[in-house]
Amino acid sequence: QVQLQQSGPGLVKPSQTLSLTCAISGDSVSSNSAAWNWIRQSPSRGLEWLGRTYYRSKWYNDYAESVKSRITINPDTSKNQFSLQLNSVTPEDTAVYYCARDIDFQTLDVWGKGTTVTVSS
Amino acid sequence: DIQMTQSPASLSASVGDRVTITCRASQSISSYLTWYQQEPGKAPKLLIYGASTLQSGVPARFSGSGSGTGFTLTISSLQPEDFATYYCQQSFTTPRTFGQGTKLEIK
Repeated sequence: QVQLQQSGPGLVKPSQTLSLTCAISGDSVSSNSAAWNWIRQSPSRGLEWLGRTYYRSKWYNDYAESVKSRITINPDTSKNQFSLQLNSVTPEDTAVYYCARDIDFQTLDVWGKGTTVTVSS
Repeated sequence: DIQMTQSPASLSASVGDRVTITCRASQSISSYLTWYQQEPGKAPKLLIYGASTLQSGVPARFSGSGSGTGFTLTISSLQPEDFATYYCQQSFTTPRTFGQGTKLEIK
């Protein structure tokens, strides 16, 4: 059974970097049939896909245009996990952040429990 | 980006009712449509993918249909645990986009 365990701080100061990690059990971050995603949810923006990383003979990343200049998603094969870094955060980045597995580019079938991140001084 | 529009935004129904939620895509997405159920304070839960394929473990009272730009989620006989918010999402292309949600409330 695949599980995703999220970790990271719940409070980030404006202009700083939001960093979250998603540890994978029951699958591999290097899987040739999965992609590893970050999604966030806020009352004002609803569910918003941020980006993904996946391995198909080499590593690929896709990012939403709305955050493309500020986001990095990295795999860590040694720890079987992937991470989200979002730079220069503002209060508009306050949201619940989820990691999720996309299987065969079809659907987000496994989700982490979510991390509430507040951007405030 | 592909816009996903759900209707209605909210719906009041009773246990035992049959309900239908609609999702429209701003362009054709073939059958790359997923439905999720979300309870307060929890992550979305996969119900249906590929527009009509029921995820393992999901009760058969849930069904999905449609292709192209129009899709529906039907719950044939509402149970108390079905009162939640439902979202559609397209996986035809990136960025993945979600509908705004339909909140199903008890009448």
